[in-house]
Amino acid sequence: DAGVIQSPRHEVTEMGQEVTLRCKPISGHNSLFWYRQTMMRGLELLIYFNNNVPIDDSGMPEDRFSAKMPNASFSTLKIQPSEPRDSAVYFCASSLQSGTGLGYTFGSGTRLTVV
Amino acid sequence: GNSVTQMEGPVTLSEEAFLTINCTYTATGYPSLFWYVQYPGEGLQLLLKATKADDKGSNKGFEATYRKETTSFHLEKGSVQVSDSAVYFCALSDPLSGANNLFFGTGTRLTVIP
Repeated sequence: DAGVIQSPRHEVTEMGQEVTLRCKPISGHNSLFWYRQTMMRGLELLIYFNNNVPIDDSGMPEDRFSAKMPNASFSTLKIQPSEPRDSAVYFCASSLQSGTGLGYTFGSGTRLTVV
Repeated sequence: GNSVTQMEGPVTLSEEAFLTINCTYTATGYPSLFWYVQYPGEGLQLLLKATKADDKGSNKGFEATYRKETTSFHLEKGSVQVSDSAVYFCALSDPLSGANNLFFGTGTRLTVIP
Protein backbone atom coordinates (compact mmCIF):
# COMPACT_ATOMS: atom_id res chain seq x y z
CA ASP A 1 0.00 0.00 0.00
CA ALA A 2 1.55 3.29 -1.14
CA GLY A 3 -0.35 5.32 1.42
CA VAL A 4 -1.80 8.75 0.76
CA ILE A 5 0.22 10.45 -1.96
CA GLN A 6 0.52 14.20 -2.16
CA SER A 7 2.23 16.30 -4.78
CA PRO A 8 4.23 18.38 -4.99
CA ARG A 9 6.21 18.00 -1.75
CA HIS A 10 7.38 21.58 -1.95
CA GLU A 11 5.99 24.53 -3.86
CA VAL A 12 7.39 28.04 -4.03
CA THR A 13 5.31 30.57 -5.91
CA GLU A 14 4.92 34.29 -6.28
CA MET A 15 2.04 36.17 -4.79
CA GLY A 16 -0.91 36.30 -7.14
CA GLN A 17 -0.16 33.02 -8.87
CA GLU A 18 -2.47 30.04 -8.90
CA VAL A 19 -1.40 27.02 -6.88
CA THR A 20 -2.81 23.51 -7.19
CA LEU A 21 -2.11 20.83 -4.63
CA ARG A 22 -2.91 17.22 -5.39
CA CYS A 23 -3.85 14.18 -3.37
CA LYS A 24 -4.36 10.52 -4.11
CA PRO A 25 -6.10 8.75 -1.20
CA ILE A 26 -5.66 5.13 -0.24
CA SER A 27 -7.61 2.89 -2.57
CA GLY A 28 -10.96 1.97 -1.05
CA HIS A 29 -11.06 4.86 1.41
CA ASN A 30 -14.26 6.84 0.99
CA SER A 31 -13.47 9.93 3.07
CA LEU A 32 -10.87 12.56 2.26
CA PHE A 33 -9.73 15.52 4.32
CA TRP A 34 -7.62 18.59 3.62
CA TYR A 35 -5.76 20.17 6.56
CA ARG A 36 -3.48 23.17 6.86
CA GLN A 37 -0.73 23.39 9.46
CA THR A 38 1.03 26.57 10.59
CA MET A 39 3.00 27.47 13.67
CA MET A 40 0.48 30.13 14.62
CA ARG A 41 -2.77 28.25 14.10
CA GLY A 42 -1.74 24.62 14.41
CA LEU A 43 -3.68 22.00 12.45
CA GLU A 44 -6.86 23.26 10.78
CA LEU A 45 -9.43 21.23 8.89
CA LEU A 46 -10.21 23.00 5.63
CA ILE A 47 -12.71 20.67 3.96
CA TYR A 48 -13.69 17.04 3.81
CA PHE A 49 -15.41 14.77 1.31
CA ASN A 50 -17.43 11.60 1.74
CA ASN A 51 -17.83 9.47 -1.38
CA ASN A 52 -16.43 12.35 -3.47
CA VAL A 53 -19.05 14.81 -2.20
CA PRO A 54 -17.94 17.86 -0.17
CA ILE A 55 -19.57 17.63 3.24
CA ASP A 56 -18.17 20.53 5.21
CA ASP A 57 -16.09 23.36 3.76
CA SER A 58 -16.56 25.73 6.67
CA GLY A 59 -12.83 25.67 7.32
CA MET A 60 -11.91 27.03 3.92
CA PRO A 61 -10.41 30.46 4.66
CA GLU A 62 -12.02 32.40 1.83
CA ASP A 63 -13.16 32.27 -1.76
CA ARG A 64 -9.59 32.10 -3.00
CA PHE A 65 -9.57 28.48 -1.85
CA SER A 66 -11.42 25.73 -3.66
CA ALA A 67 -11.29 21.94 -3.53
CA LYS A 68 -12.56 19.25 -5.83
CA MET A 69 -12.78 15.49 -5.84
CA PRO A 70 -13.72 14.39 -9.35
CA ASN A 71 -13.36 10.72 -8.53
CA ALA A 72 -12.52 8.39 -5.67
CA SER A 73 -8.81 8.41 -6.38
CA PHE A 74 -7.99 12.08 -6.80
CA SER A 75 -8.55 15.43 -5.13
CA THR A 76 -7.17 18.93 -5.64
CA LEU A 77 -6.91 22.00 -3.46
CA LYS A 78 -6.53 25.21 -5.43
CA ILE A 79 -5.56 28.67 -4.25
CA GLN A 80 -6.15 31.52 -6.68
CA PRO A 81 -4.69 34.06 -6.26
CA SER A 82 -2.16 32.99 -3.67
CA GLU A 83 -0.97 35.32 -0.89
CA PRO A 84 2.04 35.17 1.46
CA ARG A 85 -0.26 34.34 4.41
CA ASP A 86 -1.20 31.10 2.64
CA SER A 87 2.30 29.79 3.30
CA ALA A 88 1.85 26.59 5.31
CA VAL A 89 2.07 22.83 5.11
CA TYR A 90 -1.06 21.34 3.56
CA PHE A 91 -1.96 17.77 4.44
CA CYS A 92 -4.37 15.40 2.82
CA ALA A 93 -5.76 12.45 4.79
CA SER A 94 -8.09 9.61 3.95
CA SER A 95 -10.19 7.19 5.93
CA LEU A 96 -11.96 3.94 5.18
CA GLN A 97 -15.11 5.05 6.92
CA SER A 98 -15.13 8.38 8.64
CA GLY A 99 -16.01 8.50 12.32
CA THR A 100 -15.77 4.79 13.08
CA GLY A 101 -12.68 4.91 15.24
CA LEU A 102 -10.30 3.73 12.55
CA GLY A 103 -8.43 7.01 12.39
CA TYR A 104 -7.00 8.65 9.34
CA THR A 105 -3.96 8.06 7.17
CA PHE A 106 -2.11 11.25 6.37
CA GLY A 107 0.03 12.09 3.40
CA SER A 108 3.49 13.61 3.79
CA GLY A 109 2.19 17.07 3.06
CA THR A 110 2.93 19.89 0.62
CA ARG A 111 5.02 22.74 1.98
CA LEU A 112 3.78 25.88 0.25
CA THR A 113 5.77 29.11 0.30
CA VAL A 114 4.24 32.19 -1.28
CA VAL A 115 6.73 35.04 -1.77
CA GLY B 1 -19.37 20.21 21.48
CA ASN B 2 -16.26 18.18 20.88
CA SER B 3 -12.82 19.39 21.84
CA VAL B 4 -9.44 18.19 22.98
CA THR B 5 -7.11 19.94 25.40
CA GLN B 6 -3.56 18.75 25.66
CA MET B 7 -0.55 19.71 27.65
CA GLU B 8 1.30 22.77 26.45
CA GLY B 9 4.80 22.20 25.26
CA PRO B 10 7.55 22.11 24.55
CA VAL B 11 8.69 19.22 26.69
CA THR B 12 12.38 18.44 27.00
CA LEU B 13 13.53 15.20 28.60
CA SER B 14 16.74 13.30 28.97
CA GLU B 15 17.04 9.90 27.35
CA GLU B 16 15.46 7.10 29.44
CA ALA B 17 13.25 9.53 31.37
CA PHE B 18 9.55 8.86 31.96
CA LEU B 19 7.13 10.69 29.70
CA THR B 20 3.58 11.85 30.36
CA ILE B 21 1.66 14.11 28.00
CA ASN B 22 -1.76 15.00 29.37
CA CYS B 23 -4.88 15.02 27.23
CA THR B 24 -8.46 15.67 28.28
CA TYR B 25 -11.50 15.79 26.09
CA THR B 26 -15.07 17.02 25.83
CA ALA B 27 -17.48 15.05 23.69
CA THR B 28 -21.21 14.90 23.18
CA GLY B 29 -21.31 11.16 22.56
CA TYR B 30 -18.95 8.21 23.00
CA PRO B 31 -15.76 9.13 21.23
CA SER B 32 -12.84 7.14 20.00
CA LEU B 33 -9.53 8.57 21.14
CA PHE B 34 -6.23 8.72 19.31
CA TRP B 35 -2.64 9.78 19.65
CA TYR B 36 -0.84 10.82 16.48
CA VAL B 37 2.87 11.53 16.14
CA GLN B 38 4.52 13.87 13.65
CA TYR B 39 8.24 13.47 13.07
CA PRO B 40 10.14 16.41 11.56
CA GLY B 41 9.25 16.99 7.93
CA GLU B 42 6.61 14.27 7.86
CA GLY B 43 2.85 13.90 8.06
CA LEU B 44 0.95 12.70 11.09
CA GLN B 45 1.05 9.00 11.85
CA LEU B 46 -1.36 7.11 14.02
CA LEU B 47 0.49 6.05 17.18
CA LEU B 48 -2.27 4.36 19.15
CA LYS B 49 -5.98 4.47 19.75
CA ALA B 50 -8.77 3.35 22.09
CA THR B 51 -12.40 3.06 21.12
CA LYS B 52 -14.19 2.57 24.43
CA ALA B 53 -13.83 3.29 28.13
CA ASP B 54 -11.01 1.49 29.98
CA ASP B 55 -9.38 0.38 26.72
CA LYS B 56 -5.63 0.78 26.65
CA GLY B 57 -3.93 1.62 23.39
CA SER B 58 -0.25 0.78 23.05
CA ASN B 59 2.46 0.95 20.41
CA LYS B 60 6.26 1.37 20.33
CA GLY B 61 6.40 1.45 24.14
CA PHE B 62 3.78 4.20 24.38
CA GLU B 63 0.52 3.64 26.24
CA ALA B 64 -2.69 5.56 26.87
CA THR B 65 -5.80 4.48 28.77
CA TYR B 66 -9.27 5.76 27.94
CA ARG B 67 -10.62 7.11 31.24
CA LYS B 68 -14.26 8.06 30.95
CA GLU B 69 -14.57 9.17 34.58
CA THR B 70 -11.84 11.78 34.17
CA THR B 71 -12.38 12.30 30.39
CA SER B 72 -8.68 11.77 29.86
CA PHE B 73 -6.34 9.90 27.54
CA HIS B 74 -2.84 10.66 28.82
CA LEU B 75 0.13 9.41 26.81
CA GLU B 76 2.93 7.67 28.71
CA LYS B 77 6.22 6.01 27.98
CA GLY B 78 8.51 4.53 30.57
CA SER B 79 11.84 5.30 28.92
CA VAL B 80 12.07 7.76 26.05
CA GLN B 81 14.69 7.69 23.33
CA VAL B 82 16.17 10.43 21.18
CA SER B 83 14.20 9.00 18.26
CA ASP B 84 10.95 9.81 20.08
CA SER B 85 11.55 13.52 19.51
CA ALA B 86 8.46 14.67 17.62
CA VAL B 87 5.17 16.50 17.99
CA TYR B 88 2.36 14.49 19.59
CA PHE B 89 -1.31 15.18 18.90
CA CYS B 90 -4.27 13.92 20.89
CA ALA B 91 -7.49 13.59 18.89
CA LEU B 92 -11.04 12.33 19.14
CA SER B 93 -13.77 11.26 16.77
CA ASP B 94 -17.37 11.16 17.92
CA PRO B 95 -19.53 9.51 15.28
CA LEU B 96 -22.65 9.36 17.43
CA SER B 97 -22.75 13.14 17.71
CA GLY B 98 -22.90 13.45 13.97
CA ALA B 99 -19.46 14.92 13.78
CA ASN B 100 -17.61 13.42 10.90
CA ASN B 101 -14.02 14.29 11.48
CA LEU B 102 -11.17 14.14 13.94
CA PHE B 103 -10.81 16.92 16.50
CA PHE B 104 -7.15 17.55 17.23
CA GLY B 105 -5.41 19.09 20.17
CA THR B 106 -2.78 21.76 19.57
CA GLY B 107 0.11 19.31 19.72
CA THR B 108 2.95 18.91 22.20
CA ARG B 109 6.54 19.07 21.00
CA LEU B 110 8.83 16.58 22.70
CA THR B 111 12.60 16.86 22.52
CA VAL B 112 14.71 14.07 23.99
CA ILE B 113 18.34 14.86 24.62
CA PRO B 114 21.10 12.25 24.93
